[in-house]
Amino acid sequence: DTVMTQSPDSLAVSLGERATINCRSSQSLLYSSNNKNYLAWYQQKPGQPPKLLIFWASTRESGVPDRFSGSGSGTDFTLTISSLQAEDVAVYYCQQYYSTPTFGQGTRLEIK
Amino acid sequence: QVQLVQSGGVVEKPGASVKVSCKASGYTFGNHGISWVRQAPGQGPEWLGWISTYNGNQHNAQKVQGRLTMTTDKSTSTAYMELRSLRSDDTAVYYCARNAGLGPQWLDAFDVWGQGTMVTVSS
Repeated sequence: DTVMTQSPDSLAVSLGERATINCRSSQSLLYSSNNKNYLAWYQQKPGQPPKLLIFWASTRESGVPDRFSGSGSGTDFTLTISSLQAEDVAVYYCQQYYSTPTFGQGTRLEIK
Repeated sequence: QVQLVQSGGVVEKPGASVKVSCKASGYTFGNHGISWVRQAPGQGPEWLGWISTYNGNQHNAQKVQGRLTMTTDKSTSTAYMELRSLRSDDTAVYYCARNAGLGPQWLDAFDVWGQGTMVTVSS
């Protein structure tokens, strides 16, 4: 299975500041035939299921605020929240779908 | 609106079986596969398996091979997951999730999730 490793495990950021979460995969997620990275990001709040934020590493799901952005290619990816809002407090997960789906261990984002 | 509504939480003894339902509404059931994902307390999600709502083809994670069966009922737009020979480490919240249609078969992200079903395995 492809192992997904996120860093850091937890992160505290001031309101209005930038938050950056990293995700590394044990194999490349870039499919050469279509030049797409098979990587998604989710947000999960307590007591709720995960919510899809980004797919193809950088495409925002409909309705997701544009302060959320994804970047990276191959094995290294980043989720950035440009200006942290109180409602962004959650655990964030990356997930690869290049092979049998696997998720990262999660990054807990809090307000400093 | 598009939604998946799951059955309620259960407590089962080790060795027993559990069956969870997932009723879809707000979209054409046969146009999207359904995956099952579980999340143990304090852990990240774990993908268990996928079923095609079009032809019933399915694929399971190796970890639950031989213990997991997924079915669908097109007449009621409902998917089912049955896990047998339950162990204590099967204790988790079980989610059904709609495949987004990005990749082939089970190679996909998940754009709609059920509310989750808590399965507790305890003697």
